Amino acid sequence: DAKTTQPPSMDCAEGRAANLPCNHSTISGNEYVYWYRQIHSQGPQYIIHGLKNNETNEMASLIITEDRKSSTLILPHATLRDTAVYYCIVNNAGNMLTFGGGTRLMVKP
Amino acid sequence: GAGVSQSPRYKVAKRGQDVALRCDPISGHVSLFWYQQALGQGPEFLTYFQNEAQLDKSGLPSDRFFAERPEGSVSTLKIQRTQQEDSAVYLCASSPGLGDYGYTFGSGTRLTVV
Repeated sequence: DAKTTQPPSMDCAEGRAANLPCNHSTISGNEYVYWYRQIHSQGPQYIIHGLKNNETNEMASLIITEDRKSSTLILPHATLRDTAVYYCIVNNAGNMLTFGGGTRLMVKP
Repeated sequence: GAGVSQSPRYKVAKRGQDVALRCDPISGHVSLFWYQQALGQGPEFLTYFQNEAQLDKSGLPSDRFFAERPEGSVSTLKIQRTQQEDSAVYLCASSPGLGDYGYTFGSGTRLTVV
């Protein structure tokens, strides 16, 4: 079973920041938080991951709470091409990924 | 290659037919995973290779499913005597190996059993 809880769907206006929450209250000390997204008819795409520090790359920012029980993926300026299902996954590095239901993000013009 | 390549992209099989799905991982990637994704669901783990060794096959749904990676690069997922419930997208992913790497997924093979 997935170890994360995400809202099933969210809407975001084009150009605005999209903030996708994830709860992972049972995360253990050596587990990372990974985010992937899946655009229709494509395989999942890696976005970002982190252990306990906040992380930023060219795609997104990842904010992890101090107790590590939740995190937020931030897409700073959402575009229509960001419409996808976003998966939050906790994982020991190198192990297989366990996907939950994800959040279906709809970016609207 | 630049990414993970899967073939065929689409496969229609008659019930009872055997099928073979191919995955070409990124060159040099040690770890290779197979996933099954039913319509409207998240991907579910099938099996994992580290080089040529199949280290975990706990997700294979039945003994009709078989995977191999004989030379530690290309992998093949074989399904014998296909049934309608095998209809799904089969995804392959690879990573450089143990460590906090992101995995790179292929676009998948959509299998339809009729």
